Amino acid sequence: NAGVMQNPRHLVRRRGQEARLRCSPMKGHSHVYWYRQLPEEGLKFMVYLQKENIIDESGMPKERFSAEFPKEGPSILRIQQVVRGDSAAYFCASSPLGQANTEAFFGQGTRLTVV
Amino acid sequence: GQQLNQSPQSMFIQEGEDVSMNCTSSSIFNTWLWYKQDPGEGPVLLIALYKAGELTSNGRLTAQFGITRKDSFLNISASIPSDVGIYFCAGQPLNTGTASKLTFGTGTRLQVTL
Repeated sequence: NAGVMQNPRHLVRRRGQEARLRCSPMKGHSHVYWYRQLPEEGLKFMVYLQKENIIDESGMPKERFSAEFPKEGPSILRIQQVVRGDSAAYFCASSPLGQANTEAFFGQGTRLTVV
Repeated sequence: GQQLNQSPQSMFIQEGEDVSMNCTSSSIFNTWLWYKQDPGEGPVLLIALYKAGELTSNGRLTAQFGITRKDSFLNISASIPSDVGIYFCAGQPLNTGTASKLTFGTGTRLQVTL
């Protein structure tokens, strides 16, 4: 029973390039959440998606960042024109329901380094 | 925005000692969660608390959801070397309607010496 799968585990991009981070939720989970973790800090909520819908993107930067969770395939977090400040670990979590008292499970993260 | 103050920031303890860490918030949370994160890995859920005053154990771990809904503590008894890692508290705010729009604390880094 595979957990939340994220790839790549490590991603290096030059300033100005695009970064695409992928997340496959646990089997049977239809709710996906993306978090960002800067070094020595806790995780910060970015966006909450269900299949084909963005439910809450209150934590997403207004520019350059976008997320999708298509009907088929993994959820994608896309960062355009990356800058050094985008370097961080990006974690995806999934849950079967988007309600209170529902536990979510995290993937191993993608560590993005912008050079 | 909401903030979680987690303390202590780091701890050095000897194997076999008990550990206590806590989290306080400026606002009320509906759910408190405690996670452990190993280097290069994602957070792993240790304990989930859903009711004010709730005391829950998971092996050597015990956590409590404060009565005021603004704080929680985690205790680890008889620590062992594999307890090393960063422990995060996380709270789900009231009325968010989502399972995991969580606010995370800044973490407690635990190091265990033999």
